[in-house]
Amino acid sequence: GDSVTQMEGPVTLSEEAFLTINCTYTATGYPSLFWYVQYPGEGLQLLLKATKADDKGSNKGFEATYRKETTSFHLEKGSVQVSDSAVYFCALNQNAGNMLTFGGGTRLMVKP
Amino acid sequence: EAEVAQSPRYKITEKSQAVAFWCDPISGHATLYWYRQILGQGPELLVQFQDESVVDDSQLPKDRFSAERLKGVDSTLKIQPAELGDSAMYLCASSLRPIRETQYFGPGTRLLVL
Repeated sequence: GDSVTQMEGPVTLSEEAFLTINCTYTATGYPSLFWYVQYPGEGLQLLLKATKADDKGSNKGFEATYRKETTSFHLEKGSVQVSDSAVYFCALNQNAGNMLTFGGGTRLMVKP
Repeated sequence: EAEVAQSPRYKITEKSQAVAFWCDPISGHATLYWYRQILGQGPELLVQFQDESVVDDSQLPKDRFSAERLKGVDSTLKIQPAELGDSAMYLCASSLRPIRETQYFGPGTRLLVL
C-alpha cells in the first residue's frame, strides 16, 4: 500500500537558519503531495501542495518540489522564524480516491 | 474564511462510558472525513462520507465506533464503550468533492480516557 516516510525529529534550528525536512513516498500511480502544519493543540493547516511531477508548491516562504524520479517532496525554507515552530506532516492522496496517507510528522523547534 | 467546526475541543471520560464528537464541515463541501491521530503520529482515516453515504469505513472499529451524517451536512462520531487506547485527537476534515480535492481540517477534539 501507499506510504510516506519523513525524517524523524525534533529538528532544532536557530532563527534565520535554512530548513530542510525530508519526505519520500511509495505509491502506485501519480498521487498528489501535500505538506500540512500543526501548531500545538490545533488541527492541521494546509501549507502547500503539488499535483504532478516537477510542480513546486510554495506558501509563506516554504517550498517543496514534486520529484517523481526520487519519489520525494522535501520541504525547504530559507530563513526560519520562531513562529515556524510546529509539527510538519507530509501526505499523499491517490487521485482515484481522496484518502490522505500521512507520514509520522517532524517537529521543528526554532530558537531565538 | 470558512472553517471546519468541531466540538467539544477537549473531552475527558472514563473507560466504558459513551462519548460523541460533532463536526460541521465548510458550507458546500460534500465530502467529510474523520481521522484519529495518536500522540506523536500522523492522522489515520477512520471514515469518509460522500453526502450522507459512507464511502470508506474500512479502518473504523465497528464494534465500538459509529459515525453518521444524516442530512449530508454535519456529522457525529460516537464511541461506546470507550477504552483506554481510544485516547487520541479526533480530527474532522472536509473537501468540496471526493476526488483530487484539498482537505481542510478542523481544530480537533482531544479525548482522554481514564
